[in-house]
Amino acid sequence: GQQLNQSPQSMFIQEGEDVSMNCTSSSIFNTWLWYKQDPGEGPVLLIALYKAGELTSNGRLTAQFGITRKDSFLNISASIPSDVGIYFCAGPEPGNTPLVFGKGTRLSVIA
Amino acid sequence: NAGVTQTPKFRVLKTGQSMTLLCAQDMNHEYMYWYRQDPGMGLRLIHYSVGEGTTAKGEVPDGYNVSRLKKQNFLLGLESAAPSQTSVYFCASSYGAPLHFGNGTRLTVT
Repeated sequence: GQQLNQSPQSMFIQEGEDVSMNCTSSSIFNTWLWYKQDPGEGPVLLIALYKAGELTSNGRLTAQFGITRKDSFLNISASIPSDVGIYFCAGPEPGNTPLVFGKGTRLSVIA
Repeated sequence: NAGVTQTPKFRVLKTGQSMTLLCAQDMNHEYMYWYRQDPGMGLRLIHYSVGEGTTAKGEVPDGYNVSRLKKQNFLLGLESAAPSQTSVYFCASSYGAPLHFGNGTRLTVT
């Protein structure tokens, strides 16, 4: 099946820094989703993108749906300790229902 | 509104034992899913259901069975547990693309 390539795999940043991560696929996606997983919990939806070129914000988070429809980016501004967790990109395979997930970016914030 | 509830939260099994993981959702979602999460592997789809009475295989279905007898429940069964099935299992439900996840079941097979 389709795989999403997510990078970087992990990041260590200082509190207050901005963070960028991205996700790419070899085929076109019509929807991109970004999830965050806190330790010991299930993933929670952060942002959903439905149109190529779309730029959507949720507080300090901003995500973009790439114009090629094969990539998406998530930015976090002014990171804080509670941003720690694993961030996943996901999208439905063309013609199929189930979501495909990237392997995640593990974010650590140093106070 | 509980959302997606998984039971149990933790379980330890011996190799060869069987067990059933229960997922219940109260959002009237049509679609339900079972994923497993292993370090460095992300979330991999085991089985899913697009409606009551239907099931389909995902990426890693071997060693698991599922049933969706009621719309709100999706059961994941392990008939003969193996150490390779040690993992964290997540159930999710949805109307379409955005999935709503439970908080997981941590299973250890010794």
